[in-house]
Amino acid sequence: KNEVEQSPQNLTAQEGEFITINCSYSVGISALHWLQQHPGGGIVSLFMLSSGKKKHGRLIATINIQEKHSSLHITASHPRDSAVYICAVRGSRDDKIIFGKGTRLHILP
Amino acid sequence: EAGVVQSPRYKIIEKKQPVAFWCNPISGHNTLYWYRQNLGQGPELLIRYENEEAVDDSQLPKDRFSAERLKGVDSTLKIQPAELGDSAVYLCASSLGPGYTFGSGTRLTVV
Repeated sequence: KNEVEQSPQNLTAQEGEFITINCSYSVGISALHWLQQHPGGGIVSLFMLSSGKKKHGRLIATINIQEKHSSLHITASHPRDSAVYICAVRGSRDDKIIFGKGTRLHILP
Repeated sequence: EAGVVQSPRYKIIEKKQPVAFWCNPISGHNTLYWYRQNLGQGPELLIRYENEEAVDDSQLPKDRFSAERLKGVDSTLKIQPAELGDSAVYLCASSLGPGYTFGSGTRLTVV
């Protein structure tokens, strides 16, 4: 079993829909990151969380440390949001970064 | 502030040939990572440096892969000889503290 699990693996939605991507992890962490990767490979960091909730534009990220779960929400989704969204955690014990396999999001116009 | 710079952006080589990737981290970031990302997968760590010391290279295939980070700044990752299965995106990241920044990656195609 992977230490970081994301769901769903693939998601197709219509423009304007509210999107939720989930991440569960099984190790103690010092931080959780949500990353965005567009075709071509470059990765952009969206959020770094250690507790609570963060908001940036139409993106919202939440984390529940007790439940070892985080969600990334996109409001009023747009085709330009189409990308792979990756959850990554930094282990508190060994400082390693562990990545989920990513969620491939496709927003239809 | 410049981000993490990687070159080349793309590389196509024949199998059995050598290839090298270069990474210039953000100034002052003492931790540098090399990751390999296969299609449809999350990045997998190859090697992590703290300054010039490789502190985790357990996932680096040492028979054909090598890396160095002279003077604790720039780093190179080399594959010799390359195999078809090495086709992937090779990502470099650097960090100072809990946050980290990725480069744009080098997409390697071995034919």
